[in-house]
Amino acid sequence: ETGVTQTPRHLVMGMTNKKSLKCEQHLGHNAMYWYKQSAKKPLELMFVYSLEERVENNSVPSRFSPECPNSSHLFLHLHTLQPEDSALYLCASSQDWGTSGSEQYFGPGTRLTVT
Amino acid sequence: GQNIDQPTEMTATEGAIVQINCTYQTSGFNGLFWYQQHAGEAPTFLSYNVLDGLEEKGRFSSFLSRSKGYSYLLLKELQMKDSASYLCAVTDSNYQLIWGAGTKLIIKP
Repeated sequence: ETGVTQTPRHLVMGMTNKKSLKCEQHLGHNAMYWYKQSAKKPLELMFVYSLEERVENNSVPSRFSPECPNSSHLFLHLHTLQPEDSALYLCASSQDWGTSGSEQYFGPGTRLTVT
Repeated sequence: GQNIDQPTEMTATEGAIVQINCTYQTSGFNGLFWYQQHAGEAPTFLSYNVLDGLEEKGRFSSFLSRSKGYSYLLLKELQMKDSASYLCAVTDSNYQLIWGAGTKLIIKP
């Protein structure tokens, strides 16, 4: 039990659909992250929120839209995705952002397939 | 650019010892993490090194040499459950985590 949950675990969507991924952390952390994990590639950081404010946005296409309504919840809204967006989307949290040694705790991920 | 290199795949025998290497070139250094990720599961934290030397934690140890931009993860008394991917990640001068692509470790009986 990592203390970070994600739903859904699996998602298949068409290119014209709109869907949302949900992440919740039960650890009292101040920072939350969205990552994209593709086979045999490094984890790609997409977004970082610290104390509910977005602090990093690493050139992510606008078809991905994050939302952080409070420090425990993080959403990733998806619309008009492309087949190359198929990947494992991981949510993580850490005690703080911008400090050394702050390990990240990951959720189990959402396996997204875009058809 | 920033880069983390680790072998794509390694194979070892149950009960043996394996060393997984990681070399990095980053803009500054504020620590190095090792994570374990079983297939279909979340990465989980294994170790953190910020000073040179060896950190031991049970069957797992992690070593760091900042001058060489080098780390390794040493796994002793290998068990079948150690079959997983091992991810190396470095915190750069902006405290951003730079990730390697991971090393898939296969344990054979």
